[in-house]
Amino acid sequence: DTGVSQDPRHKITKRGQNVTFRCDPISEHNRLYWYRQTLGQGPEFLTYFQNEAQLEKSRLLSDRFSAERPKGSFSTLEIQRTEQGDSAMYLCASSLSLAGALNEQFFGPGTRLTVL
Amino acid sequence: GESVGLHLPTLSVQEGDNSIINCAYSNSASDYFIWYKQESGKGPQFIIDIRSNMDKRQGQRVTVLLNKTVKHLSLQIAATQPGDSAVYFCAQLPGGYQKVTFGTGTKLQVIP
Repeated sequence: DTGVSQDPRHKITKRGQNVTFRCDPISEHNRLYWYRQTLGQGPEFLTYFQNEAQLEKSRLLSDRFSAERPKGSFSTLEIQRTEQGDSAMYLCASSLSLAGALNEQFFGPGTRLTVL
Repeated sequence: GESVGLHLPTLSVQEGDNSIINCAYSNSASDYFIWYKQESGKGPQFIIDIRSNMDKRQGQRVTVLLNKTVKHLSLQIAATQPGDSAVYFCAQLPGGYQKVTFGTGTKLQVIP
C-alpha cells in the first residue's frame, strides 16, 4: 500500500453514461497525476496538478474528460458520455516536489473502468 | 518522439537465477530513467532510477545500467525470487516535464 487510494476500484457503466473517479493522494504531497493504462501497455499521462492548479493536460484528454483538485488535496476525474474506447485502468499518482531531485511518483491501485 | 520500448514481452527465469530486462528509448532529453514493477491488480511501484549523467546504479538486488550511446537501459535482478514475478516497465522523465513516459512492459515469470 503506497498511501494513495482510489475509489471505486471497479466501475462498469453503459455507453453514454457519466462516471467520476476519486483519488486521495499521500497527505503531504503537493503534486497529483492521472494516467490511463490499457491492457498490456504502460500507463499514459493524462494530466497533473500542483496543489489545486492543473498545470498540464495531455492531448489524450478529450473534451469529455475533466479533472479537478479543488482544495489541493483529493482529486476527481470525470468522463462524460463514456465510449467503449474509454475502457481502461485509470491510475492516480502523487509526489512531493523537491528542487533538484527526482519527484518519485507513488501510484494508487487504480480504477478499472469497463464501458459496455 | 518520446517512445520507450522493450525488446522482450515475456521473460521466464528459474528461481535463484539472475534476470535481465532490456529497454530501448528514443528521447535523449531525459533527466531520469526509471524502472517500475507492476503486480496484478496494483499500480506501478518504483524500483530504481538512474540520472542521465550516470551509467550504473545499484540497489538491493537490482542494478540499472544506462548506455546513452545506443539509447539502451537494462534492469538486472539478482537471485530472482517468486515475488519478483510481475510486469516491469522502463520509463523516462524528460527534462523540465513532470509526466513519466512509460514503455509497454515485460512480464517476468519466475519458475520455482
